[in-house]
Amino acid sequence: GAGVSQSPSNKVTEKGKDVELRCDPISGHTALYWYRQSLGQGLEFLIYFQGNSAPDKSGLPSDRFSAERTGGSVSTLTIQRTQQEDSAVYLCASSPSRAGGPNTGELFFGEGSRLTVL
Amino acid sequence: GESVGLHLPTLSVQEGDNSIINCAYSNSASDYFIWYKQESGKGPQFIIDIRSNMDKRQGQRVTVLLNKTVKHLSLQIAATQPGDSAVYFCAENIRGAQKLVFGQGTRLTINP
Repeated sequence: GAGVSQSPSNKVTEKGKDVELRCDPISGHTALYWYRQSLGQGLEFLIYFQGNSAPDKSGLPSDRFSAERTGGSVSTLTIQRTQQEDSAVYLCASSPSRAGGPNTGELFFGEGSRLTVL
Repeated sequence: GESVGLHLPTLSVQEGDNSIINCAYSNSASDYFIWYKQESGKGPQFIIDIRSNMDKRQGQRVTVLLNKTVKHLSLQIAATQPGDSAVYFCAENIRGAQKLVFGQGTRLTINP
């Protein structure tokens, strides 16, 4: 597609349920990022995938959070046993190389998935 | 530690005036800086970026200034328009880290 696509755009769930958020990056982009944005806050890094390399999971807040990227394209962020503090907008971004990379350093963001945990 | 912060959380400017949004960073190893604009309910959109070997870069109505001596970054928007109202984030890439570290954001409001 023309841009980064995320689904669902909105998700309301009950505390303790598992949720899956999906990201379709821009075709050909090797780097894929997940960020979390709480209300009125900046973007918090969660995880980074680059090609076939092992992902950088240093930003995942707990072992309830996991992500995978299949075939170097689509990525799924899974949150198990959701808690109210998980409520946030989850943003996915992709890049042709990497953040700050040699050609274009920018990340291209999707519209986000807004998660509300009741 | 690693941090990118903003001096002012909110800024109001009269339409047609120029605006300046400031950002401080703490990591001298950062080699790439970028400004994003985020409108309500949307993902961040790229505005302009600058590498650490530059002091200034200009785009259409926007200029980014980088002062490495005091670790300060600014975004200047000329002749502001109502559509410029949004939250603006600065972000840095720390050399070797391959990820952007974002600041808290500044809400810019353009008054008619």
